[in-house]
Amino acid sequence: IQMTQSPSTLSASVGDRVTITCRASQTTSSWLAWYQQKPGKAPKVLIYMASTLKSGVPSRFSGSGSGTEFTLTITSLQPDDFATYYCQNYNSYFPWTFGQGTKVEI
Amino acid sequence: QVQLQEAGPGLVKPSETLSLTCTVSGDSISSTTHYWSWIRQPPGKGLEWIAYIYYTGDANYNPSLKSRVTISIDTPTNHFSLRLSSVTAVDTAVYYCARWEVSSLSHDYWGQGTLVTVSS
Repeated sequence: IQMTQSPSTLSASVGDRVTITCRASQTTSSWLAWYQQKPGKAPKVLIYMASTLKSGVPSRFSGSGSGTEFTLTITSLQPDDFATYYCQNYNSYFPWTFGQGTKVEI
Repeated sequence: QVQLQEAGPGLVKPSETLSLTCTVSGDSISSTTHYWSWIRQPPGKGLEWIAYIYYTGDANYNPSLKSRVTISIDTPTNHFSLRLSSVTAVDTAVYYCARWEVSSLSHDYWGQGTLVTVSS
């Protein structure tokens, strides 16, 4: 399965609403996670099962979608949110695949 | 608190074998509710899943790397390992070990990552 994220780079301001899309080349049900990665750090899971917020993650992050199209939304972007975001599918028949990443910059 | 720590050489020569170990603390690697993964990230690029293993030894590999990769697990010492043979410069990357949680189908804990450079 190929995972394609768009856009690759996103320029935004503090307070903006931001949406990142992840499209799968084949259906992946709701088995999708979103990660945030900051420079020099390991990724951190934000959303799992497409729409479940990981405990401790701010509620301004939300996920939706199923099948082949998924979105990550950040309402009211905060300074700490400038980072790169990755989607990752899970499918027992195919290897786990990450999207190519979306960099959210000022 | 679950922690994962990668260890291994930071420099490997072309055609040689890259070997890394991940030591897990705060959780048993024999857990029935977790798998254990290796993931890498070339400098300035995205994430690539390499392989995962279950405490039973059942493993799955990225087809693009399968012919060169071996993942293994050592339950008594609570660590798992990666071997990547016949390395070239394209294998230069930060290598992460991570815990994959069955209930959330996500990698919930990661090591800090270790940079491995392939160069003569």
